[in-house]
Amino acid sequence: DQQVKQNSPSLSVQEGRISILNCDYTNSMFDYFLWYKKYPAEGPTFLISISSIKDKNEDGRFTVFLNKSAKHLSLHIVPSQPGDSAVYFCAASYSGTYKYIFGTGTRLKVLA
Amino acid sequence: DVKVTQSSRYLVKRTGEKVFLECVQDMDHENMFWYRQDPGLGLRLIYFSYDVKMKEKGDIPEGYSVSREKKERFSLILESASTNQTSMYLCASSYLLGTKNTGELFFGEGSRLTVL
Repeated sequence: DQQVKQNSPSLSVQEGRISILNCDYTNSMFDYFLWYKKYPAEGPTFLISISSIKDKNEDGRFTVFLNKSAKHLSLHIVPSQPGDSAVYFCAASYSGTYKYIFGTGTRLKVLA
Repeated sequence: DVKVTQSSRYLVKRTGEKVFLECVQDMDHENMFWYRQDPGLGLRLIYFSYDVKMKEKGDIPEGYSVSREKKERFSLILESASTNQTSMYLCASSYLLGTKNTGELFFGEGSRLTVL
């Protein structure tokens, strides 16, 4: 049972445009969400997080939106750059647990 | 800067061999994790540890064991490697969720294991 889903395995975007990566979850107990970026042959690096008391969090070119009623979050990258080309994972957790549940990832390709 | 170091970036082993993957973190994190990453399956949790000598099974513990004798070190052991354990193995660490910083996981560079 996949509790965190990234339904788009890949996405291509033109440089300078907006990239929108989506993530859906099924467990209403999740209250903390994170996005990670991963380059080939490297470990994932943390990008941005959001707790369930917020519906938006911004950090430079990266913004994460959380829609609790729809159990949906999205990562917006504006403007997209070729260096953003990587696999993006969303992850979810909830208070009182040590576990993070990851989605299957979306491969973003930013075209120059 | 937080550093999570995995002992081997690339390993090639034969079926039936015992395999040790070592991970060390330098930030005094309580939690440590072992994940494996496979195409189309994302990151799946094998084991995690929230304290020295404490461990809990993740989602796919079969065929693996772990050891945490010191706070900074977390080892993953494949007692008898099989071809379906060919994967990228990722170690991570974190503070207790909700007590410090953002609760984020800090990952090592990964260990690519091939079992022939």
